Amino acid sequence: GENVEQHPSTLSVQEGDSAVIKCTYSDSASNYFPWYKQELGKRPQLIIDIRSNVGEKKDQRIAVTLNKTAKHFSLHITETQPEDSAVYFCAANAAGNEKLTFGTGTRLTIIP
Amino acid sequence: GAVVSQHPSWVICKSGTSVKIECRSLDFQATTMFWYRQFPKQSLMLMATSNEGSKATYEQGVEKDKFLINHASLTLSTLTVTSAHPEDSSFYICSASLPAYEQYFGPGTRLTVT
Repeated sequence: GENVEQHPSTLSVQEGDSAVIKCTYSDSASNYFPWYKQELGKRPQLIIDIRSNVGEKKDQRIAVTLNKTAKHFSLHITETQPEDSAVYFCAANAAGNEKLTFGTGTRLTIIP
Repeated sequence: GAVVSQHPSWVICKSGTSVKIECRSLDFQATTMFWYRQFPKQSLMLMATSNEGSKATYEQGVEKDKFLINHASLTLSTLTVTSAHPEDSSFYICSASLPAYEQYFGPGTRLTVT
């Protein structure tokens, strides 16, 4: 089955700087890669996603890049703000179906 | 759009009793819903995939007789934890998917078994 690895597990960034979180996946048939943000005690929220026919997608301060050859994808947050502090999870779908396999999460802390 | 509700948000039950958790998609029809379990400071662990009108598909290691899933309509799936024990205490989260694979999560249910 699909295996998703996520790095780093924790990340501290000065407010205003950029943050990058990286994930690798194992199933070459995966074609959907979402990113979720989860604040303490709350539900995971879909913040951005990318599909295998696209190499990069941007939404304001958030961007995601996908390298299908290397089987890795990354989340980029620019101009970080305190409200960006949360746990971020990457995910990939298994064998082109709806089931998602999640990474282990990255706890992002923005230092004011 | 794409709002998912979950009820109850928290529940405390005694060991040996059963607890039912409801997951509803409020503004869309979800052919597929998913049930996850999340331990503190850990990732989301998929328990089962629930399809409307058919039996749920359980992940390896998840006891189907203990975690009963019913997907009675396109907007409602339920998870019943039967004969709950303290080790079943956890955060249970459901999600509902749109046709293009996007999953939207409910707010979760914190179950404590005493």
